[in-house]
Amino acid sequence: SAVISQKPSRDICQRGTSLTIQCQVDSQVTMMFWYRQQPGQSLTLIATANQGSEATYESGFVIDKFPISRPNLTFSTLTVSNMSPEDSSIYLCSGLLTYNEQFFGPGTRLTVL
Amino acid sequence: GQQVMQIPQYQHVQEGEDFTTYCNSSTTLSNIQWYKQRPGGHPVFLIQLVKSGEVKKQKRLTFQFGEAKKNSSLHITATQTTDVGTYFCAGPKGAQKLVFGQGTRLTINP
Repeated sequence: SAVISQKPSRDICQRGTSLTIQCQVDSQVTMMFWYRQQPGQSLTLIATANQGSEATYESGFVIDKFPISRPNLTFSTLTVSNMSPEDSSIYLCSGLLTYNEQFFGPGTRLTVL
Repeated sequence: GQQVMQIPQYQHVQEGEDFTTYCNSSTTLSNIQWYKQRPGGHPVFLIQLVKSGEVKKQKRLTFQFGEAKKNSSLHITATQTTDVGTYFCAGPKGAQKLVFGQGTRLTINP
């Protein structure tokens, strides 16, 4: 198994500002993903973080709003840009283990005022 | 896009009762995964099913994959308070990505 840490665990931000979330894995993984989860809801995939190249975004998510970096196989960042209250959510990163098993970080709870 | 439908959305049981959640897809799935998310926690991988008609057990949890590989179920026998949480099924989306069902939130009356 592997362990993922995320920073910050939670934050309260003002609208119009940006927040960068960090995701650190304790071992190398082939793929990393970023999800959004509204309280009581399911997980929605934002993008696949590709090492050394631009992230691959899902429908409804764009790079200008959610820029993602992945400089190496154990670290990725997600920035939520120009935030509005609608961006209030839990943001989760995950890494891919063998046999397609994904393991998740503890999440970042974001509140935008 | 591909969707995985999960029912029920909520289930409340008395401790000791059984619990089942169902997952359905309109398309054939190469595999299906199940995750558990405790209140305030993050999703944790439980199991992956790959073969048609496959049945796997983990203590009181029984996972099934339908013969047509379009549906799956998770059954918990004699629930305990530690079973509380939301159970998600997830099907593959493209290469190594997942699409999650809506989840079934299980609450238990001790």
